[in-house]
Amino acid sequence: AQSVSQHNHHVILSEAASLELGCNYSYGGTVNLFWYVQYPGQHLQLLLKYFSGDPLVKGIKGFEAEFIKSKFSFNLRKPSVQWSDTAEYFCAVCSGNTGKLIFGQGTTLQVKP
Amino acid sequence: KAGVTQTPRYLIKTRGQQVTLSCSPISGHRSVSWYQQTPGQGLQFLFEYFSETQRNKGNFPGRFSGRQFSNSRSEMNVSTLELGDSALYLCASSSRGGAGYNEQFFGPGTRLTVL
Repeated sequence: AQSVSQHNHHVILSEAASLELGCNYSYGGTVNLFWYVQYPGQHLQLLLKYFSGDPLVKGIKGFEAEFIKSKFSFNLRKPSVQWSDTAEYFCAVCSGNTGKLIFGQGTTLQVKP
Repeated sequence: KAGVTQTPRYLIKTRGQQVTLSCSPISGHRSVSWYQQTPGQGLQFLFEYFSETQRNKGNFPGRFSGRQFSNSRSEMNVSTLELGDSALYLCASSSRGGAGYNEQFFGPGTRLTVL
C-alpha cells in the first residue's frame, strides 16, 4: 500500500533558523508530490508541487523542496523561518492518474519570535 | 475566482442520525475529492468524483457515500453516525488535463461533531 512518512511530528525553531522537513513515500510508479500548509484557523493551502522536470521546486513564501527519486524523498526547506510560518505542514503524494492524495501525518512547526 | 466552498461549516448530530455535507468546487473544476481529518488518523481520502462518476474510493465503510451533480457540485452523506465520525471533512477540487490531475484546492471544511 502507498504511504507517506514525515520524519518530524513537532519542530520548534527560533526566527531566522533554517528549516528542513523530511518526507518519504512508498510507491514505485510515477508520482506527483505536494507540500500543503495549514495555518491556525485556516484551510489547507498548496505550498509547492512537483510533477516533472527540475527536481528542485520553489513555492510560495520562500519555501522550496527537492525531489530525490532514488531516495523516494521530497524534503521541504526554507533558509530562514519567520514567526508567521507557524503552522502544520503536510507532505502528500498523488500516484498516477488518480485524484487520490495520500498525506503524511503532518509536522507542526512552531517558530518562536 | 471563488475558491472551494463547503456548507455547513459546523454540524452537531447525535449517534444514529445521518448527515449530508455539500461542496461547490472552483468554477471549471470537474474533479471533487473528499477527505476526513482527525487528530488520530490525520488526513484520509474518502472518495473522488469526476464528471458525476466515482473514480476512486478510500477505505471507509459503506455508511460513507457521495455523489456529484452535473454542475460539478458534490455532496457526501454519512448514515448511522458513530462517535468516531466526528472530524473535519474537507472537500478539494481539481482540474484534469491530458497529463492527468492537477493540484487540488481545498475548502475550509465542515466540522462534524457526533454526540
